[in-house]
Amino acid sequence: DAMVIQNPRYQVTQFGKPVTLSCSQTLNHNVMYWYQQKSSQAPKLLFHYYDKDFNNEADTPDNFQSRRPNTSFCFLDIRSPGLGDAAMYLCATSRVQGGAGEVNTQYFGPGTRLTVL
Amino acid sequence: AQSVAQPEDQVNVAEGNPLTVKCTYSVSGNPYLFWYVQYPNRGLQFLLKYITGDNLVKGSYGFEAEFNKSQTSFHLKKPSALVSDSALYFCAVRGHYGNNRLAFGKGNQVVVIP
Repeated sequence: DAMVIQNPRYQVTQFGKPVTLSCSQTLNHNVMYWYQQKSSQAPKLLFHYYDKDFNNEADTPDNFQSRRPNTSFCFLDIRSPGLGDAAMYLCATSRVQGGAGEVNTQYFGPGTRLTVL
Repeated sequence: AQSVAQPEDQVNVAEGNPLTVKCTYSVSGNPYLFWYVQYPNRGLQFLLKYITGDNLVKGSYGFEAEFNKSQTSFHLKKPSALVSDSALYFCAVRGHYGNNRLAFGKGNQVVVIP
């Protein structure tokens, strides 16, 4: 089945130690999103890639970076995790072809729960 | 700016009874509306969406939602709730002139009591 995969499902890191979360997809979607979700709150969009174009949200801290080496993979890098960065990180994908009024569903992976010690 | 309100924090319903989860939205132009469900320690699962056409939208797992333009609402419904429907439900909206960014509501915890 086509799907969105996130690895690892659970990640423990130390305060200030860089960490990378991974997302891959077999849906061949051209848009990939990273969300942060804290304790049963609404997901908060950090950034997204439209093809190779990176789109950062205005309030995303510089501590968060992303890479998309190819269509299938996207990485979230947290350069110096703080205690406040402990959260569930969700990757999502959608297919956007740029047509007028086009609306495409976002499909989510299972998430990576990050713990910062 | 687009936004969603889910007024209730938690919805309790007895198994077998009808389930309703409320959502109202604010957006410029025609809205595109989505419902997602999230089980503990899982990602969001897509349930259904409204783009245009029939105001009653049918989705996965027996869920449906009714779009009401005059009340700017998109309530999620299920005629007979199951214990397995206990989860966190998110409503989301995107405006017609949006850029594929979704505005999510804060979520509603649904508890189905056996």
